[in-house]
Amino acid sequence: DAGITQSPRHKVTETGTPVTLRCHQTENHRYMYWYRQDPGHGLRLIHYSYGVKDTDKGEVSDGYSVSRSKTEDFLLTLESATSSQTSVYFCAVSPTDNEQFFGPGTRLTVL
Amino acid sequence: GESVGLHLPTLSVQEGDNSIINCAYSNSASDYFIWYKQESGKGPQFIIDIRSNMDKRQGQRVTVLLNKTVKHLSLQIAATQPGDSAVYFCAENGGAGGTSYGKLTFGQGTILTVHP
Repeated sequence: DAGITQSPRHKVTETGTPVTLRCHQTENHRYMYWYRQDPGHGLRLIHYSYGVKDTDKGEVSDGYSVSRSKTEDFLLTLESATSSQTSVYFCAVSPTDNEQFFGPGTRLTVL
Repeated sequence: GESVGLHLPTLSVQEGDNSIINCAYSNSASDYFIWYKQESGKGPQFIIDIRSNMDKRQGQRVTVLLNKTVKHLSLQIAATQPGDSAVYFCAENGGAGGTSYGKLTFGQGTILTVHP
């Protein structure tokens, strides 16, 4: 399972509050990714990282920021959560920029 | 096959049958493709991958076929079991090199239901 954990696994928050999701890996893989999964849209890339402090935007990055201060952790922050950000968030890692291995997901509800 | 929209394609089979799940990809520059399985409440699980220099690749009970001419990918599951019931996604890399950094574009998925 590539040693990927996500925390929290479930979170309910209110509109306008900041939220940070954490992805932690134990394999020291270089590449890390954040996706959201919504009915009718499949998996969409939010942000990705190709090394410590090296990050870039994905397809649906508006309203999200990321940070990667060390290899094993990739944080996703919603600065001011909105109801449209209610979703299931998946982190993925890749050792070789080919196959990606996914974490168990975080279910976020914004009321 | 997969398509964009609110309703996922579905495939229902009997236990022991062979299953074929199809995927039409969009980017002719893509040279790497992956199939994932996602069970309810879990993250996508890697099944098998294939590079564009191959037409076919086999794994344990699974085979992926790639037809670059018509941009079509298929996943064949032999002797399908109830534990194979899940949503299956294909993904393409949009072409490697440059600053692709392994980014993948995912299809919408196909729901496979295996009846005992």
